[in-house]
Amino acid sequence: QKEVEQNSGPLSVPEGAIASLNCTYSDRGSQSFFWYRQYSGKSPELIMSIYSNGDKEDGRFTAQLNKASQYVSLLIRDSQPSDSATYLCAVNFPPGNTPLVFGKGTRLSVIA
Amino acid sequence: GAGVSQSPSNKVTEKGKDVELRCDPISGHTALYWYRQSLGQGLEFLIYFQGNSAPDKSGLPSDRFSAERTGGSVSTLTIQRTQQEDSAVYLCASSRRPDRGRETQYFGPGTRLLVL
Repeated sequence: QKEVEQNSGPLSVPEGAIASLNCTYSDRGSQSFFWYRQYSGKSPELIMSIYSNGDKEDGRFTAQLNKASQYVSLLIRDSQPSDSATYLCAVNFPPGNTPLVFGKGTRLSVIA
Repeated sequence: GAGVSQSPSNKVTEKGKDVELRCDPISGHTALYWYRQSLGQGLEFLIYFQGNSAPDKSGLPSDRFSAERTGGSVSTLTIQRTQQEDSAVYLCASSRRPDRGRETQYFGPGTRLLVL
């Protein structure tokens, strides 16, 4: 069974704080992981992709991957009200050439 | 360059009617995906086209749903005899040929379908 689990939230953080979004997946053989942001009424847009264990940083965003624990997270530093959105975790399950499986998303609210 | 485009942006139809939704992927992208997102819900995979391979139809919820992709580019999702539970946003995405699964999907703006 291909499953991607996320806490639906809402996750509320004050402006300037670090927001931590978590995602677990069901197949240890998965190789590719993506975070998408979706504003209300809009389509998802890619924020980050990560393929190797460890951290990957891009501006205020850091993706963290732990394949042994089947866990991927997204950290948003210096959170801004404009970061308020739903964040979708997506995983590419083996054999690889298959559609991504998306989690249901975590709704983030950054309070000014 | 141009992104994924979808038409119409909004569609209101009566129960029992057929609807066609169109997707134009990014030029050069060989993979095309259709998803459905109901209000407040996650993305529900519907169908996947990859090049000339047979499409992965495993996500289609019933035989009222079908999709085709002509010439490896434009795709049309058809819903026959629409029901009220078909009301949702239908999202199309495209990606370059998946290489070891490192595909980045780019989404279109979606078609908001309302079945009365």
